[in-house]
Amino acid sequence: DTEVTQTPKHLVMGMTNKKSLKCEQHMGHRAMYWYKQKAKKPPELMFVYSYEKLSINESVPSRFSPECPNSSLLNLHLHALQPEDSALYLCASSPEYSGGPSYNEQFFGPGTRLTVL
Amino acid sequence: AQTVTQSQPEMSVQEAETVTLSCTYDTSESDYYLFWYKQPPSRQMILVIRQEAYKQQNATENRFSVNFQKAAKSFSLKISDSQLGDAAMYFCAYRRDDKIIFGKGTRLHILP
Repeated sequence: DTEVTQTPKHLVMGMTNKKSLKCEQHMGHRAMYWYKQKAKKPPELMFVYSYEKLSINESVPSRFSPECPNSSLLNLHLHALQPEDSALYLCASSPEYSGGPSYNEQFFGPGTRLTVL
Repeated sequence: AQTVTQSQPEMSVQEAETVTLSCTYDTSESDYYLFWYKQPPSRQMILVIRQEAYKQQNATENRFSVNFQKAAKSFSLKISDSQLGDAAMYFCAYRRDDKIIFGKGTRLHILP
């Protein structure tokens, strides 16, 4: 299995809803990432998990809450989002995140298209 | 702070021709990695090619090759024999440890 899967593909939610995005990989990768991508823009890094521990939070608002229950699974819990949070949310994984120089390739999932009404 | 600049928001190339996408970056580090990613209209991002900064030899992957000029901090992507399936947004990316920075992207159109 050489892919990153994301569910759901599309999500529409109101500002008072609570929802979760899910990401899975079975490649034995030890680092997993959440990105936010607005239309015609590059991905913006949100969170990095290394060996199931949160290693980077790029000053993301607390209405986004990541969770890494195990090395294969990454969730993003959403609560009280704003319309400006509507975007494509990409998950990625890479073999190792050592903190040292590394060219580890990131494998991206297809993304979840989120619309906040 | 590191930055990645792609100065061509859009480009077009005739099918079977060659096209070069430009990328420049700014860093004070000597060890880092550079990537070109492709994001077709279906939106799944895939790696096209990578380059380690400590390697002088330019990376090549089939029809894709790079011109890496470390001193000039330039990392251009050349696509030979362009095919319709090459139509996509191309992002240049820089990675050093936990820093992953993408350029704004170049939209490549392939003209039949």
